Amino acid sequence: DIQMTQSPSSVSASVGDRVTITCRASQGISSWLAWYQQKPGKAPKLLIYAASSLQSGVPSRFSGSGSGTDFTLTISSLQPEDFATYYCQQAISFPITFGQGTRLEIK
Amino acid sequence: EVQLLESGGGLVQPGGSLRLSCVASGFTFSNYAMSWVRQAPGKGLEWVSTIGVGTYYADSVKGRFTISRDNSKNTLYLQMSSLRAEDAAVYYCAAYSSRRSFDHWGQGTLVTVSS
Repeated sequence: DIQMTQSPSSVSASVGDRVTITCRASQGISSWLAWYQQKPGKAPKLLIYAASSLQSGVPSRFSGSGSGTDFTLTISSLQPEDFATYYCQQAISFPITFGQGTRLEIK
Repeated sequence: EVQLLESGGGLVQPGGSLRLSCVASGFTFSNYAMSWVRQAPGKGLEWVSTIGVGTYYADSVKGRFTISRDNSKNTLYLQMSSLRAEDAAVYYCAAYSSRRSFDHWGQGTLVTVSS
């Protein structure tokens, strides 16, 4: 199985900050990577697919990059509604696996 | 508007069975692979199963869970048997697109396994 490792596990930041979350795959996954945002008590929401494509309706302050084994999710200017937990997910093969999550907290 | 509405969760004893359902609307159900993803309390997301051209299962549920769908009813199912304490979680139904992302999610249904 492909292991997905996110870093950091948690991060504190302020409104307006730029934040980057990293996801590393245990083997190459080309660009088959998606990013999700989850708020407490809610279902996850797709932000980015194919490593760098923005899902329709998602604000442009979110961006994704990377290929192979190393990927990043960047939020260019944090807004109050962005404080949540973020997950990466690989989809090159089954079993589909997720990263352990990165909790983004208000500083 | 895309909607996925899960039902069937509840309290079940260890070793028991439960069937989850997910009714879809607002998109062409038959065009999507469909999946179940679960989340134990306070934990991360765990993929459980996907049905598309074939069916796929996580090792942790293989042989105990069965995924199926009825395209005429726009409904996805998950038959769960031999349930264990570690199966307790919120179970989400999700539409898995050709881009290999979970594009749409239901609100989840809670499964509790306890005596």
